[in-house]
Amino acid sequence: SAVISQKPSRDICQRGTSLTIQCQVDSQVTMMFWYRQQPGQSLTLIATANQGSEATYESGFVIDKFPISRPNLTFSTLTVSNMSPEDSSIYLCSVEPDGYTFGSGTRLTVV
Amino acid sequence: GENVEQHPSTLSVQEGDSAVIKCTYSDSASNYFPWYKQELGKRPQLIIDIRSNVGEKKDQRIAVTLNKTAKHFSLHITETQPEDSAVYFCAATTSGTYKYIFGTGTRLKVLA
Repeated sequence: SAVISQKPSRDICQRGTSLTIQCQVDSQVTMMFWYRQQPGQSLTLIATANQGSEATYESGFVIDKFPISRPNLTFSTLTVSNMSPEDSSIYLCSVEPDGYTFGSGTRLTVV
Repeated sequence: GENVEQHPSTLSVQEGDSAVIKCTYSDSASNYFPWYKQELGKRPQLIIDIRSNVGEKKDQRIAVTLNKTAKHFSLHITETQPEDSAVYFCAATTSGTYKYIFGTGTRLKVLA
């Protein structure tokens, strides 16, 4: 299965600022996925990132708040913009196939 | 929309006993059902999966069963050990969509 490097592993940010999370895969993948896991909760899909096209966002998530880049088949970034304490979560990238492989996650705390 | 219900939310068992976690899905087109184990502070990891053309799959102490008619699937862990303590998530998806719908999670505690 793919090996995914995600960084930063954690960060504490001031409200109103933005944080960009990076996800690097050791092999080329068509689709990459960004998930949010709020404290003690399940995983919620934010968006699907395809190389060469705009990301597809799930209901409740918008590009202005969570802009995504996918410049090539091994890399993607997720930015959490204009952060508020409600954005405090773990953010995970993942790739297919045959069951997701998840990155190590980014634990974000907004103060 | 698509939904996956998971029960129970917490489960405590004595070491050596069996644990069963159940999930029900709503989308009849779903045909792939993975299970993930998430230890505290770590990423979810795939532990077993099943496709809709199979009724049961086993891997050592872990097994998954699928009832397509009832649209539910279950994770069975036998001879539980303290290291099985974690949060377990079920998921459902349809091949080609790559969009996984996750259950709400079950916190399993294995008591020594």
